[in-house]
Amino acid sequence: GQNIDQPTEMTATEGAIVQINCTYQTSGFNGLFWYQQHAGEAPTFLSYNVLDGLEEKGRFSSFLSRSKGYSYLLLKELQMKDSASYLCAAMDSNYQLIWGAGTKLIIKP
Amino acid sequence: GAVVSQHPSWVICKSGTSVKIECRSLDFQATTMFWYRQFPKQSLMLMATSNEGSKATYEQGVEKDKFLINHASLTLSTLTVTSAHPEDSSFYICSATSGESSYNEQFFGPGTRLTVL
Repeated sequence: GQNIDQPTEMTATEGAIVQINCTYQTSGFNGLFWYQQHAGEAPTFLSYNVLDGLEEKGRFSSFLSRSKGYSYLLLKELQMKDSASYLCAAMDSNYQLIWGAGTKLIIKP
Repeated sequence: GAVVSQHPSWVICKSGTSVKIECRSLDFQATTMFWYRQFPKQSLMLMATSNEGSKATYEQGVEKDKFLINHASLTLSTLTVTSAHPEDSSFYICSATSGESSYNEQFFGPGTRLTVL
C-alpha cells in the first residue's frame, strides 16, 4: 500500500533550527512536496524535490533520498509565524498526491 | 499568478439541505481540479478528481450521489453536498493544476468551512 509517515508534533525555540522528517512508500514516484498549513487555512506550497539532494530556498530547505524513501524539511532561524502544520506529500505514478497526516510545529519564544 | 478562489468561505446550514461550493482558478486554466476534505487535526483527504467536461473520479468510500461535482469550464468546478448531515461538517478545500507546471503543482483555494446543524 501507499503510506506517508511524519511525526505528529514537534516543538522548537524561536531562532533555532528544526528538521521535520518524512518517509514514504508509493506506487511509482514523481516527486515529493512540502506544504505549510496554518490553522483554519488552506495549504501553501513550500518545496518540490524529485532528484536526490538538497534544495535551498531562503530559510527553508528540503532534502530527498529516493533510494531510502526519505525526505526532510529544514527550517532555519525559526520565527513565531512558522508555527503551523507541515504536510509531506508524495506523488505516485498516476500523478496523484499521497498526503501525510502533517507535523504540527510549535515555536516557543 | 496561479490563484484559486473558493466561495463561500464558510457556511452554516440545517440538516437535510444542500450546499454548493464553488472553486475558481482566477488567472489560469485548470486542467484538473481536486476536492479535499479535512477534519480537525487530520490531514487532507482527497474526495475526487475532476477534469473539465468529464465526470469526476471519486475516491473509495466517497458517495458520488451525495457529493456532486461539476467541472463545467476550465476555470470553475462546483461541489454540492446534498442532504447534508452534521457528520458532513468539515473543511472543504479545492486545488487545481494548470498543466503548465513541470511538476503538476497543486494550487489550493482558501477552503470552505461547512457546519451542518
